[in-house]
This record gives sequence, structure tokens and C-alpha cells, in this order.
Amino acid sequence: DIHMTQNPVSLSAFIGDKVTITCRASQDISRYLGWYQQKQGQSPKFLMYYASNLLSGVPSRFSGSGSGTEYSLTITGIQPEDAATYFCQQCYSYPLTFGSGTKLEIK
Amino acid sequence: QVTLKESGPGILQPSQTLSLTCTFSGFSLSTYGMGVGWIRQPSGKGLEWLANIWWDDDKYYNPSLKNRLTISKDTSNNQAFLKITNVDTADTATYYCARISNYSGDYFDYWGQGVMVTVSS
Repeated sequence: DIHMTQNPVSLSAFIGDKVTITCRASQDISRYLGWYQQKQGQSPKFLMYYASNLLSGVPSRFSGSGSGTEYSLTITGIQPEDAATYFCQQCYSYPLTFGSGTKLEIK
Repeated sequence: QVTLKESGPGILQPSQTLSLTCTFSGFSLSTYGMGVGWIRQPSGKGLEWLANIWWDDDKYYNPSLKNRLTISKDTSNNQAFLKITNVDTADTATYYCARISNYSGDYFDYWGQGVMVTVSS
């Protein structure tokens, strides 16, 4: 199984800050990585696929990058509605696996 | 508009079989390339993928659940099902069904609201 290590576990940011969440795979996943946002009490929302492709409707302040085993999600210009837990997911191989999540708090 | 909704027993006892139903609209599991998956999330914890089923009845399971899972579908009624046998307290979680995306890779682009399942004696 491919293990996804996500960091940090939690972080706090002010409105307008830039934050980066990282996801490391236990082997090369060739950019088959997605990001999800889960707000408190809600289902996950699909944000991004193939490491850097934003879904339609997702604000452009969200961006993704990476290759091989190292990937990141960056939010540039944090907004109050970005408070959530963010998860990465690899789909390079089965079983599909998720990172453990990063909880973003807005100060 | 794609929607999915899970239903289940709410509470069950250890060793019983958990039966979950996902009723969806806005797409068809008889359409080439379509698929539905099940993912669960214990309270306050992360996401665990359980199983996927495809339009052609191809199925993938998480081997960590060791043959306890059975996924199936009813194309006519736009439903997908998941059974988990011999449950125990570790199976207590919110269970989600989700559509598998058409993007490059097996991601989940639409999710149901989730159904909470508690295993308790």
C-alpha cells in the first residue's frame, strides 16, 4: 500500500496569509494526487486532481504542485471560508489511500 | 445535478452484518466509465477508502478489510450497496458513498452527506 504522510497536522493563519500543506507518498505516484476540503460537519469537497488541476469553481487562490513523492497545496490569500481540514489522496495504485488531514484554523 | 445519499441501520451489534445503500441521481452506473465508491471516516479521524464498483461491474476492495466487504449495484434503481460482515467497534464511523470522477485517476468528485454507523453491544 502507498502511505501518504501529510503535514502539518494543523496550522493557524490570518486572513490574507499564504499557507502550504504538504503530502509525501511512500513511493512515486506520478502526480496521481488529489486534494479535498472538508468543513466541519460536511462531506469532503473535491478541489484538485493530477496534483495541480483545479476543479471548476474552486477559487484561484488554491494551487497545487509537486511530482514524484512530494506534493503541496498552497492557499494564497486565506479567506474565512477556507477554515477546514484538507486531505490528499493518491490514485496511482490500489488500495486508494488518503493523507491523515491538515486542519486549517483562521485566526 | 449529481446527488448521492447514503442510508444504513444507524446502530448494530458486534458480529452483525452492516448493509449500506447509496441512492444517487444525475448519472448512471450503466454509462461507460462511471463508478461509485465507499469511504468511511471515524469521528474526528481521517478517510479510509473501502471499495469501488464500475459500470461494467468491475470491483476493487481495500485488502485491509480482509474479505469482509461486498460491493454491488442496482443499475435500474440507481443504487449501490456495501456490505461489511462481522462488524466490531472499530467499524463505527460515518460512511460516505461518492461518484468516481472522470478526471485522470480514480478521484471522488461528488459525495453523499454520509451516514453514521455505530457498532455497540
